[in-house]
Amino acid sequence: DGGITQSPKYLFRKEGQNVTLSCEQNLNHDAMYWYRQDPGQGLRLIYYSQIVNDFQKGDIAEGYSVSREKKESFPLTVTSAQKNPTAFYLCASSNKTPYEQYFGPGTRLTVT
Amino acid sequence: KQEVTQIPAALSVPEGENLVLNCSFTDSAIYNLQWFRQDPGKGLTSLLLIQSSQREQTSGRLNASLDKSSGRSTLYIAASQPGDSATYLCAVLPSWGTYKYIFGTGTRLKVLA
Repeated sequence: DGGITQSPKYLFRKEGQNVTLSCEQNLNHDAMYWYRQDPGQGLRLIYYSQIVNDFQKGDIAEGYSVSREKKESFPLTVTSAQKNPTAFYLCASSNKTPYEQYFGPGTRLTVT
Repeated sequence: KQEVTQIPAALSVPEGENLVLNCSFTDSAIYNLQWFRQDPGKGLTSLLLIQSSQREQTSGRLNASLDKSSGRSTLYIAASQPGDSATYLCAVLPSWGTYKYIFGTGTRLKVLA
């Protein structure tokens, strides 16, 4: 089955700790994305990557970091510099033409 | 700057009704428009994608139309069912090559049995 997996589904951390969210895809897509979703708000783009070893900041990159060492994997690290990290995080990938986006099941991060 | 709006934010309808969800965008220079469904606490599921050269796409009881000149897309759901209850989001991909999708904030649909 082709798809996007995110792990874990729920993640709890103490304030001041860095945490890494996993995203893996077996769709052979070049592009991968990280979004944040807060209640009552739309999806906000954190980082995206069009090819291996290259990525660009999205609209809310401060306090986050990513890597893209393999085509299949695009992990997101939420650092202690992120002021309000508690949110639902969604990973997505897209094919080339027609650039259709596919999403993973999400990770809910709670920081206390 | 491209902006995407979905009105209304929430909608309740009785089972069996045909309904239309709206998505408006401010810049007609789009590569495609995609409709998604999101159930509570879940990821987004792609429903339909309309490329800029297309006017509509259909899948089962769903039909999505695109009018670039007016900056509007509609998602038509025929014979609604309680299982259609979810939040529906639209997203546009601008044609100016940044590969950044712009999302609306969604319409939360409740179909009453």
